[in-house]
Amino acid sequence: DAGVIQSPRHEVTEMGQEVTLRCKPISGHDYLFWYRQTMMRGLELLIYFNNNVPIDDSGMPEDRFSAKMPNASFSTLKIQPSEPRDSAVYFCASSPSTGGETQYFGPGTRLLVL
Amino acid sequence: GQNIDQPTEMTATEGAIVQINCTYQTSGFNGLFWYQQHAGEAPTFLSYNVLDGLEEKGRFSSFLSRSKGYSYLLLKELQMKDSASYLCAVSPTGTYKYIFGTGTRLKVLA
Repeated sequence: DAGVIQSPRHEVTEMGQEVTLRCKPISGHDYLFWYRQTMMRGLELLIYFNNNVPIDDSGMPEDRFSAKMPNASFSTLKIQPSEPRDSAVYFCASSPSTGGETQYFGPGTRLLVL
Repeated sequence: GQNIDQPTEMTATEGAIVQINCTYQTSGFNGLFWYQQHAGEAPTFLSYNVLDGLEEKGRFSSFLSRSKGYSYLLLKELQMKDSASYLCAVSPTGTYKYIFGTGTRLKVLA
């Protein structure tokens, strides 16, 4: 299996622009997670889905952030409008439904908002 | 809620043994996880403890004491490639999400 796939790998944008991050989970995994990692705050869970349904979005920082999972093989995280404080590495991870013991992380998207 | 504490940085010598501690406060959890993250890369799974005791996987072992809210990751025969951040995470009861600690940055010196 190719593992979790994320795109783009790097994104540089200007404040106020819309940013869309994409994720393809491992085939057959029922859970998908979006994380944000910064030096100051470490790895934070933003939202997670089970069978394409959002289960917990308590980590989404504010209304500028939204996430969707239209089908089992694709999810997006959108920031609109983006701000410099959104600069971080955004990871997508997936896990199977058998207890969710292990999460498999994608390579991440490194976002820089100028 | 959950509160997870790990040392920020540790340094050790190639060939040595190092123990990375993790303490947590949580009302209940499914299990405790350790992940390794090299600079600029994604976290990768190392170990999982759900019951008290020691889990051994080659050079790496992880220990859990639920009553004490304590875990450690033990790395033996350290190699230069073990220089990385080590993240402790708990999965709260009734969920599939992880709460991560801020990680311990380990430097292995020749």
